[in-house]
Amino acid sequence: NAGVTQTPKFQVLKTGQSMTLQCAQDMNHEYMSWYRQDPGMGLRLIHYSVGAGITDQGEVPNGYNVSRSTTEDFPLRLLSAAPSQTSVYFCASRGTSGFNEQFFGPGTRLTVL
Amino acid sequence: SQQGEEDPQALSIQEGENATMNCSYKTSINNLQWYRQNSGRGLVHLILIRSNEREKHSGRLRVTLDTSKKSSSLLITASRAADTASYFCATDGGAAGNKLTFGGGTRVLVKP
Repeated sequence: NAGVTQTPKFQVLKTGQSMTLQCAQDMNHEYMSWYRQDPGMGLRLIHYSVGAGITDQGEVPNGYNVSRSTTEDFPLRLLSAAPSQTSVYFCASRGTSGFNEQFFGPGTRLTVL
Repeated sequence: SQQGEEDPQALSIQEGENATMNCSYKTSINNLQWYRQNSGRGLVHLILIRSNEREKHSGRLRVTLDTSKKSSSLLITASRAADTASYFCATDGGAAGNKLTFGGGTRVLVKP
């Protein structure tokens, strides 16, 4: 199993550009999440999904959209990039048991100029 | 806002020593999890302790949980240079959805 994969690994955008961060998992996990990590800080939840077709907002959803058309994929879209969105983005997934650990992807380092 | 707050923010120890870090949280939890993050990498799950458990062991890791004080500790015994990483606690409030709330982390440096 590849686990959780994310593309791209690095991205530089100009203010106002849009882009999609890709996330895929091959563990048949129902739950998927997007987090951002700013320097020296922990992770903050952006959006999450409890299954295909179901998404909800996390702690810092503004400026981001998500969709979940399949169990495997959970893309994160930046609608109009701003410098404040410069961060490292992590996708995670877990199974349906309430005590399951989360599996994280390797992250996407995004810089918005 | 962050649910968990780790203490200390940074820790430097010699190889072979024990490393202890603490996590405090604010609201009731279903479980508390500890993760490790090596520089430039994603987070890796270390151990989970349920709200009705007080202590848990996994190899050189020992986690305690005191729900009355809303705090947890992670002890790494006989540390190795490879333990150099940031360690995060994350609380699961148990609500539907995948909501883990992370603290700011403790940066641990183990000197050989």
